[in-house]
Amino acid sequence: AQSVAQPEDQVNVAEGNPLTVKCTYSVSGNPYLFWYVQYPNRGLQFLLKYITGDNLVKGSYGFEAEFNKSQTSFHLKKPSALVSDSALYFCAGRTYKYIFGTGTRLKVLA
Amino acid sequence: DGGITQSPKYLFRKEGQNVTLSCEQNLNHDAMYWYRQDPGQGLRLIYYSQIVNDFQKGDIAEGYSVSREKKESFPLTVTSAQKNPTAFYLCASSIPGAGYTFGSGTRLTVV
Repeated sequence: AQSVAQPEDQVNVAEGNPLTVKCTYSVSGNPYLFWYVQYPNRGLQFLLKYITGDNLVKGSYGFEAEFNKSQTSFHLKKPSALVSDSALYFCAGRTYKYIFGTGTRLKVLA
Repeated sequence: DGGITQSPKYLFRKEGQNVTLSCEQNLNHDAMYWYRQDPGQGLRLIYYSQIVNDFQKGDIAEGYSVSREKKESFPLTVTSAQKNPTAFYLCASSIPGAGYTFGSGTRLTVV
């Protein structure tokens, strides 16, 4: 069965420190992978996507993600966290069907 | 600006009542989707439509109905058969190979 997993319900990081939000996938074929961010009572906003090519993908707001085929991972990263990055983050994968992870709440502490 | 508009932002439903959530997009996207979001459960697909006048059930379609008479519009009706409708409902659209564009959501509460 195809799946996308976000193993951490919550990640806490101090402002200015690097952050990582983890995602692993089990999707057949060549997956399209995505990251979205959701602020309270809002819809999801697209951050970045991987389709093919360079394993390091750069997206909005200084976020980037690294595709690792051997580890079937697509972790979201940012070199220096901001308090305003605090939100709910979703990883998603797509082949013939779109699959979302359960979300990771990122809390950046001032 | 192009985007997806969901209305209303908040909706209250009485027991036994049907309610309809609106979703309109001006992105010229063929595909549209309805998701339900509950705390700790991520997003679950209710219905989707790849083209006008066609739609398919998602993972949790029971108690819901949709129509797709126009490319721009994909309304969702929550029927009285849906026993636990309190949730945050998200509409999205996309083109092939791209990410989704989401609306701002409708929060439905049973009173």
